[in-house]
Formats: sequence, C-alpha cells, structure tokens
Amino acid sequence: NAGVTQTPKFRVLKTGQSMTLLCAQDMNHEYMYWYRQDPGMGLRLIHYSVGEGTTAKGEVPDGYNVSRLKKQNFLLGLESAAPSQTSVYFCASSYWGLAGRNEQFFGPGTRLTVL
Amino acid sequence: AQSVSQHNHHVILSEAASLELGCNYSYGGTVNLFWYVQYPGQHLQLLLKYFSGDPLVKGIKGFEAEFIKSKFSFNLRKPSVQWSDTAEYFCAVNEGGATNKLIFGTGTLLAVQP
Repeated sequence: NAGVTQTPKFRVLKTGQSMTLLCAQDMNHEYMYWYRQDPGMGLRLIHYSVGEGTTAKGEVPDGYNVSRLKKQNFLLGLESAAPSQTSVYFCASSYWGLAGRNEQFFGPGTRLTVL
Repeated sequence: AQSVSQHNHHVILSEAASLELGCNYSYGGTVNLFWYVQYPGQHLQLLLKYFSGDPLVKGIKGFEAEFIKSKFSFNLRKPSVQWSDTAEYFCAVNEGGATNKLIFGTGTLLAVQP
C-alpha cells in the first residue's frame, strides 16, 4: 500500500514551459486535492476533486488546470509556467463521508522551480 | 471566509522544555480541527484531530491539544519536547460540507536544541 505518490519529486522549468504533475492514490479515496506550500504562507488549496470526472477551484487556481479522469489519479497542469509558481506542491486524498471529519493523506511533494 | 491564525512562526526550545503552539480560527459554527506535522524533508502527517466531545484530545508522540470554543482556539501542547520533534506544525480547520476542504494556518517552525 503506497498511499499517495507524486511524480516527479523535483523539476526545474523555464518561464513559459508547461508541465504536468501526477498524483496517484491506492486507498480508493473519493476526494483529492492539490496544494502549494510557500514559506510563511502555509498550504493553500489550488484545485480539488470530489470524484472521478469532477474538479473545482480552490483558493489559488489561476495558472493551473487539473483533470481527474481516473479515480486514483489527479493531474495538475501548468500551461505556461511563471516564476511565481515556484513552490512545493502537495497532493492529498481523503474518504467521502462524515463531512469535515475525514483525515487527508498527503503525498511526499514536488519541488518546482521556475526560472 | 474561514481563516486560521498561528501566531508563533518560529519557536526554539531546549530538549525537555514544555511546548505550547497557538492556533485560532475564525468560524463561529461547528468546526473540525486538525494538527498536522511536517518533519524535515517529509510530507504532512496527522498529529491529532478534534470533532466533538472531550475538548482535550491526545495524539501521537505525546502531543495533545485543547479545544476552547469561547476563545476559538485549538492549542497544541507537549509536556517535554525531544530533538526529534523538530518540524513544522500546521493547524487546520475543516469547513464541513461536501468537499472536506481544509484551511491551513501559516505553520510554526519548531527547532529543538539538544
């Protein structure tokens, strides 16, 4: 049981390049989330999904797109990377049910630098 | 909108000292509260959580937290810290509803000196 995995672990991009971050979970969780972590700002929600084929915007969605074609995978895309997107990106997942009470399980993170 | 405040941004303690990290939230209704820990180079892990009932909750590794509704607070405590407690600690609140979204505080970086 690998839990939540993320690929890649590190990436350096030039401004304007695109990339996709992959999150996979093997816990059969309904909900999945993408956060970014910046110094002094905690974790901020980018996008989330409450089920296969559904996505919604979080707190800081601009410049990112997501897709949830399979229940176990949640992809985060950067179409045209900007230096402001330099951050550590965390994926998380959780069960449905008992709204608000379910622990989120986090992946190991992807450290992205945009030059 | 719901917000979470962690006023201690950086705390330095010696081993065996007692720890208390502050967390305040803004929502006046029913809340679900969490403390997560991030050890250096690792992902976030759940320390403890509070939904209802006894306002003093115990978590892993000797941590506990007290929910005080009148103060909108959920402070984290540990009687005696160890060097291995060096980490960043995040308080989070769940808004409830159908999305299970978490709102995180800005985190407190704890450094324990041996």
